[in-house]
Amino acid sequence: EAQVTQNPRYLITVTGKKLTVTCSQNMNHEYMSWYRQDPGLGLRQIYYSMNVEVTDKGDVPEGYKVSRKEKRNFPLILESPSPNQTSLYFCASTSGTSAYNEQFFGPGTRLTVL
Amino acid sequence: DQQVKQNSPSLSVQEGRISILNCDYTNSMFDYFLWYKKYPAEGPTFLISISSIKDKNEDGRFTVFLNKSAKHLSLHIVPSQPGDSAVYFCAALGGFKTIFGAGTRLFVKA
Repeated sequence: EAQVTQNPRYLITVTGKKLTVTCSQNMNHEYMSWYRQDPGLGLRQIYYSMNVEVTDKGDVPEGYKVSRKEKRNFPLILESPSPNQTSLYFCASTSGTSAYNEQFFGPGTRLTVL
Repeated sequence: DQQVKQNSPSLSVQEGRISILNCDYTNSMFDYFLWYKKYPAEGPTFLISISSIKDKNEDGRFTVFLNKSAKHLSLHIVPSQPGDSAVYFCAALGGFKTIFGAGTRLFVKA
């Protein structure tokens, strides 16, 4: 089954404790992206990757890091989480090196930073 | 500064009637637009898209209209069904970034 998986689905952590949210897709997609969803703000793009070893900032990259060492995986790293990073996070992927196709989204990761 | 705006947080429609969801954008460089639907506890799923070279795209009960001069697009759902109750996001692309609106929650009453 074609899918995007994220782990963990739920995470409660404390300020300053480094964490990684994993994202994996099995569709051989080149383009992958991370979003955060906040009430009244919709989805905002954090980082995107056009292909392996090629990443760039979205609209809200501060406090986040990403890496794309393999085509299928695109982890989101929070080196020192803060309460304002409490949010619902979605990973997405699409074929091609841009987003000019439908994006397939993972089920989301709800992160709470205390 | 929101480049993509969905000014109606919610919309309620009777089953069988038309649902019209609106989206406005400010950046004339956007050249591709998509609509996504989101149910609770799930990721968004793609619904329909339109390129800026077109003014209409239709897929079954869903039609998207684009008015470039007004920088406005709308999603029409006809007829609306209770299963259409969800949050709808419009998204705009210009280059590699994707900009989403805040979403409109649609309630379809049986």
